[in-house]
Amino acid sequence: KNEVEQSPQNLTAQEGEFITINCSYSVGISALHWLQQHPGGGIVSLFMLSSGKKKHGRLIATINIQEKHSSLHITASHPRDSAVYICAVLSPSGGGADGLTFGKGTHLIIQP
Amino acid sequence: DVKVTQSSRYLVKRTGEKVFLECVQDMDHENMFWYRQDPGLGLRLIYFSYDVKMKEKGDIPEGYSVSREKKERFSLILESASTNQTSMYLCASSQGWRYEQYFGPGTRLTVT
Repeated sequence: KNEVEQSPQNLTAQEGEFITINCSYSVGISALHWLQQHPGGGIVSLFMLSSGKKKHGRLIATINIQEKHSSLHITASHPRDSAVYICAVLSPSGGGADGLTFGKGTHLIIQP
Repeated sequence: DVKVTQSSRYLVKRTGEKVFLECVQDMDHENMFWYRQDPGLGLRLIYFSYDVKMKEKGDIPEGYSVSREKKERFSLILESASTNQTSMYLCASSQGWRYEQYFGPGTRLTVT
């Protein structure tokens, strides 16, 4: 089973700062998800990517398949970005109990 | 917009009670999932279903069962609740393994 490591576990930054959250995994994957979870529980999918880079508003996700590494960047961070960010990887077989493996999450706080 | 709803946001049950958690999705998705989320452990898959009446065990199925009689509804059953099943339970659905998952708001279950 894939091992997914996120860093940092906790991050506190000031409004406006550029934020980077990292995700590394141990074996090859077919795709990687970045998820956002606000206080209260609801989880929202931000990106699913299998190569290169994706951008949505102030959020950018990149993946390097050879290095088994992905980053999530937030530009011009805002207090409403405060949330837990979760990385999840999809195995090459794409399904079954081993299909999706989750990291433990990065708890981000943006202070005004 | 895809909508995944869960029957309760908060639930308090006594040890030994039978507990039903219900999840409904409105997008005709094939796959449905039940996860539990605990501090420091992240999201862990309990069971998933890839079709009506079809189910597969995830990483931590012990103490749980599931039912999927209709495509839109996936139920998680705790036959005899125990205190170690106190947790946040999240349901999700997806069009298929290679598509993003849509999560419900979560049910915070406390077993006393």
